Amino acid sequence: AQTVTQSQPEMSVQEAETVTLSCTYDTSESNYYLFWYKQPPSRQMILVIRQEAYKQQNATENRFSVNFQKAAKSFSLKISDSQLGDTAMYFCAFTLLPTGTASKLTFGTGTRLQVTL
Amino acid sequence: DAGVIQSPRHEVTEMGQEVTLRCKPISGHDYLFWYRQTMMRGLELLIYFNNNVPIDDSGMPEDRFSAKMPNASFSTLKIQPSEPRDSAVYFCASSLGREQFFGPGTRLTVL
Repeated sequence: AQTVTQSQPEMSVQEAETVTLSCTYDTSESNYYLFWYKQPPSRQMILVIRQEAYKQQNATENRFSVNFQKAAKSFSLKISDSQLGDTAMYFCAFTLLPTGTASKLTFGTGTRLQVTL
Repeated sequence: DAGVIQSPRHEVTEMGQEVTLRCKPISGHDYLFWYRQTMMRGLELLIYFNNNVPIDDSGMPEDRFSAKMPNASFSTLKIQPSEPRDSAVYFCASSLGREQFFGPGTRLTVL
């Protein structure tokens, strides 16, 4: 079974600064996807960024980037130039490449990020 | 596309009543997922469908919970009878087998 661990329950960062959220996972498979989802106070789950395990290049999406270390099974999210609107709960998630009907997401417990003035 | 649509957004009911939550997935998506989110247990996958067929319902907490997907554009999650411990936010999500796109959720309160 796959597991996802987020060891930072809460983090705080000042506006315009950079913050890194940690995520580790455990799997014996080699083909999978990793995701970061954001859940603001509105509770909507929003996909932030996606990484395919077969790609060596780290994914980037505007101010969001990841540091994917496959051997270490680590998948951290870096938020640059933090904005007040980045305040949210952030979930790391894992899914195997769908084969047949396998497409379940496994979520971490989340990191609550507070961006302050 | 309007995204995943859920209704109602809020539901308050009394213990013992039947509750039906509704979901319309993104058109063309062939996977549909139902999740429950609580402070104590986080996000839990209850059940998911592929091409309208239930694939894994091992997360459904007990027989009071049932889910159906009669066609590609509609799914329901029913709780009968409801209990206070069912109070949570229920999310529906759809996908093409990769990233999942979530609806806004239904906040259920059972008194």
